[in-house]
Amino acid sequence: EAQVTQNPRYLITVTGKKLTVTCSQNMNHEYMSWYRQDPGLGLRQIYYSMNVEVTDKGDVPEGYKVSRKEKRNFPLILESPSPNQTSLYFCASSLESRNTGELFFGEGSRLTVL
Amino acid sequence: QKEVEQNSGPLSVPEGAIASLNCTYSDRGSQSFFWYRQYSGKSPELIMSIYSNGDKEDGRFTAQLNKASQYVSLLIRDSQPSDSATYLCAVKERDDKIIFGKGTRLHILP
Repeated sequence: EAQVTQNPRYLITVTGKKLTVTCSQNMNHEYMSWYRQDPGLGLRQIYYSMNVEVTDKGDVPEGYKVSRKEKRNFPLILESPSPNQTSLYFCASSLESRNTGELFFGEGSRLTVL
Repeated sequence: QKEVEQNSGPLSVPEGAIASLNCTYSDRGSQSFFWYRQYSGKSPELIMSIYSNGDKEDGRFTAQLNKASQYVSLLIRDSQPSDSATYLCAVKERDDKIIFGKGTRLHILP
């Protein structure tokens, strides 16, 4: 089954404790992206990657890191989480073509930073 | 700051009627436009994509694009209660960023 898998789905952590949210897709997609969704602010792009070893900042990259060492994986790293990073996070992937934007989303990871 | 604007709603439409959802965008260089549906507590799912001016129909859904006016719309014919959701307009900009509007909440009245 074609899917984007995120882990963990739910996480409560404390300020400053490094964490990684994993994302894996099995569709051989070149394009992968991370979004956060907050009430009243909608979906905002954090980082995106057009292919292996290529990453770019989205609109809200501060406080986040990503890496793209393999085509299927695109982990999101919070080196020192803060309460303002409490949010619902979505990973998404797409074929790299003019159809990029036809995103497949993971189920989301709800993160709470205390 | 490039933007994608949508009316937040809620938009209430009687069952069986046509629901009309609208979106404007600021980046004139954008070439790809998308509508996603998001049910409460779920992830967004793609329902329509459109790349050229005009209309594109898929079942009960019609996407309309007017690049000169920087305007995208989604029509849902014969609205069903299962269409009640938040509809997100998304635009792929020249730099490959994909920007989402904040969404319009649609409520189909039985």
